[in-house]
Amino acid sequence: EPEVTQTPSHQVTQMGQEVILRCVPISNHLYFYWYRQILGQKVEFLVSFYNNEISEKSEIFDDQFSVERPDGSNFTLKIRSTKLEDSAMYFCAREEMNTEAFFGQGTRLTVV
Amino acid sequence: TQLLEQSPQFLSIQEGENLTVYCNSSSVFSSLQWYRQEPGEGPVLLVTVVTGGEVKKLKRLTFQFGDARKDSSLHITAAQPGDTGLYLCAAKTSYDKVIFGPGTSLSVIP
Repeated sequence: EPEVTQTPSHQVTQMGQEVILRCVPISNHLYFYWYRQILGQKVEFLVSFYNNEISEKSEIFDDQFSVERPDGSNFTLKIRSTKLEDSAMYFCAREEMNTEAFFGQGTRLTVV
Repeated sequence: TQLLEQSPQFLSIQEGENLTVYCNSSSVFSSLQWYRQEPGEGPVLLVTVVTGGEVKKLKRLTFQFGDARKDSSLHITAAQPGDTGLYLCAAKTSYDKVIFGPGTSLSVIP
């Protein structure tokens, strides 16, 4: 079954610090997503990334967020200056068959 | 705005009981997915339904896509404690993203 690997599994950071969350797909797919899930709340779309470019982003994905695929395999989400409300689970997903998203195990980000 | 609604929000049942959860929208989707999520983990894909009226079975789970492709149901027969989790429906919008419903949190009590 297709899967993605996310690192780290848990990140604790101080407010105002930059964090980089990483996602490694098992093969060279083109279509990826980042989602966020605040504790007890729904899974929220952040951004989709197709062929090394942002395809679509939500209103949550403001200027403090950025995504990259710097070396053709790792797919990263950077938060430039973290806020307390950025504390959440962040999920990377890859897309199959133009409809199905396969998710990683997530990174739990805690901003203190 | 395309939204998915799910009901009930919470469901607690005894082992061996049957249950149905629902996913509804005012929008028409070309396909719809069901995921299960356990605490601290990512959503795991259970099934994709594509054709209006389609029924898919996965062991004790039966998934149905509405004729108009606006809604779907998940029926679990003889629920077991291992079925406990958050059940999410999801669909791809006309843009490049998959949106999720808020989920139904199921608790099966031994």
